[in-house]
Amino acid sequence: DVKVTQSSRYLVKRTGEKVFLECVQDMDHENMFWYRQDPGLGLRLIYFSYDVKMKEKGDIPEGYSVSREKKERFSLILESASTNQTSMYLCASSVNRVGYTFGSGTRLTVV
Amino acid sequence: QKEVEQNSGPLSVPEGAIASLNCTYSDRGSQSFFWYRQYSGKSPELIMSIYSNGDKEDGRFTAQLNKASQYVSLLIRDSQPSDSATYLCAVYSGGGADGLTFGKGTHLIIQP
Repeated sequence: DVKVTQSSRYLVKRTGEKVFLECVQDMDHENMFWYRQDPGLGLRLIYFSYDVKMKEKGDIPEGYSVSREKKERFSLILESASTNQTSMYLCASSVNRVGYTFGSGTRLTVV
Repeated sequence: QKEVEQNSGPLSVPEGAIASLNCTYSDRGSQSFFWYRQYSGKSPELIMSIYSNGDKEDGRFTAQLNKASQYVSLLIRDSQPSDSATYLCAVYSGGGADGLTFGKGTHLIIQP
């Protein structure tokens, strides 16, 4: 069965910390995505990547960066965590417009 | 700006009845359409995809697409309490990186 694995289910970080969220997929998908999901706001795209070392800004990239050094791994980096980045973070991958496969999500709390 | 609209609900349906979830989209060039189910605290799970006008059935689920009206729906027959979840409509409109546009979801409650 295809899988997208996010390294942490729950994280608590302090304001100002640098935070790394890791995502690994085993489906050889070209496309990978990072979303955040907040009540009433739905899914909001932060960054996506369609190839190794390629990245594109989504709708809300401010305060975030990404890294894709290998096809299977897409990392989201919060350069200096802030309380307004407390959210559920979802990684997804896809190929050929057949829909996304999501990871289980990381609930990040910044205190 | 590509938009996907859903009624946020909650939509309350008695157990055993048909639940009908609706979605409209703004981009007439949209090509692929998806329904995701999301349980509280969990990630979205793909349950249906539809690519051409008409109906597509999978078990208790039926997806309906009307491109002329820019409308896609999901019917759940014989609704069960385990169907209680938020249902997200997603639309692919072309462009780079396989990008989907998601609606904000409809919260469905199946009453025993």
